[in-house]
Amino acid sequence: GQNIDQPTEMTATEGAIVQINCTYQTSGFNGLFWYQQHAGEAPTFLSYNVLDGLEEKGRFSSFLSRSKGYSYLLLKELQMKDSASYLCAVTDSNYQLIWGAGTKLIIKP
Amino acid sequence: GAVVSQHPSRVICKSGTSVKIECRSLDFQATTMFWYRQFPKKSLMLMATSNEGSKATYEQGVEKDKFLINHASLTLSTLTVTSAHPEDSSFYICSATTSGRAYEQFFGPGTRLTVL
Repeated sequence: GQNIDQPTEMTATEGAIVQINCTYQTSGFNGLFWYQQHAGEAPTFLSYNVLDGLEEKGRFSSFLSRSKGYSYLLLKELQMKDSASYLCAVTDSNYQLIWGAGTKLIIKP
Repeated sequence: GAVVSQHPSRVICKSGTSVKIECRSLDFQATTMFWYRQFPKKSLMLMATSNEGSKATYEQGVEKDKFLINHASLTLSTLTVTSAHPEDSSFYICSATTSGRAYEQFFGPGTRLTVL
């Protein structure tokens, strides 16, 4: 079956750095997405990785290793507004998006 | 660019009534639209995928007669929850892709449905 694993919840301190991991087993691979979702709102796009390596975009970076079926989202200089759920999703060989359950990130002052 | 709207944002209805939710791509033509539902503290669950002018493809376990999807144009898809019951109360989210960026889904803001 297809499966995406990510931690259920993480806690970090304002101003610090946090890394949210995601591992996947899917039938084929056509890209990995990270989305941010605040409570009661729809997801918003953060990043897309299809090749191995690190993609940096401001305070957020996303890393992909296709051979390991592994990705992480790195958030630097954490702000209180970064408190949200972070969803990892993989596009399989049929271009269907497989969603992880999301990681709830709690930022403490 | 790539803005998706949903209407209404919130709806409260009585059990047994039908509710229609609209999803529009405002500044692009959506080749494919997706409908998701999300229960509290759970991830997105894909309900169905629809292409303009053709019948929607429903995920296993989703009742097509209960959740009617109409993708009438390249900018509009509707989801009708027929004979709604309290267990249908959920957050319904649509998304859309465009041919130029088929790998990325653009999400609408979601519709909170509460069935009394």
